[in-house]
Amino acid sequence: GESVGLHLPTLSVQEGDNSIINCAYSNSASDYFIWYKQESGKGPQFIIDIRSNMDKRQGQRVTVLLNKTVKHLSLQIAATQPGDSAVYFCAEIISGSARQLTFGSGTQLTVLP
Amino acid sequence: DTGVSQNPRHKITKRGQNVTFRCDPISEHNRLYWYRQTLGQGPEFLTYFQNEAQLEKSRLLSDRFSAERPKGSFSTLEIQRTEQGDSAMYLCASSFTTGGYGYTFGSGTRLTVV
Repeated sequence: GESVGLHLPTLSVQEGDNSIINCAYSNSASDYFIWYKQESGKGPQFIIDIRSNMDKRQGQRVTVLLNKTVKHLSLQIAATQPGDSAVYFCAEIISGSARQLTFGSGTQLTVLP
Repeated sequence: DTGVSQNPRHKITKRGQNVTFRCDPISEHNRLYWYRQTLGQGPEFLTYFQNEAQLEKSRLLSDRFSAERPKGSFSTLEIQRTEQGDSAMYLCASSFTTGGYGYTFGSGTRLTVV
């Protein structure tokens, strides 16, 4: 079965509001997590990553939070813009593996005008 | 270097035919990965190369699938005797072996088997 899963398949937010996308993982050996954005007809685009020895990392308008106790991570997007509309995936890399990514099934984010 | 390039972007084939896709990774990257993505799902790992060596294959990669990376640069993925269930987006990604783990994905090849 899938090691990484998402709580909600769709999320709609008003332009300018903050968005929070959640993800649960089940493998304690996962040591690295990445959030990807995928627009229709395109490959996944790297947004932000976090190692398992961190609990928070910030980028431009995005923040990833990692809670290893409950095996949960989230992606926060500040001041959501129409261009943020896409499917968002979290992915994990398991320590010692071939470094392949294990993806969840994605959340469709729709930004309403 | 403009990133990971995949060709063709779209391929429609009849069931039973063979198809081949090409991936040109970022030139400095020595790891190359193939993933498959079906509609509404996240990409699934198929196989990966470090330089020219194919080091791991997923159980998803049946005998009808073969991948090569002959000179450690571009890679090809061939599917023989295509089936309708092979219809999917085939994604290629490349990365460094050490240092940052960040992958760069190509835009994929959309395969439709009719």
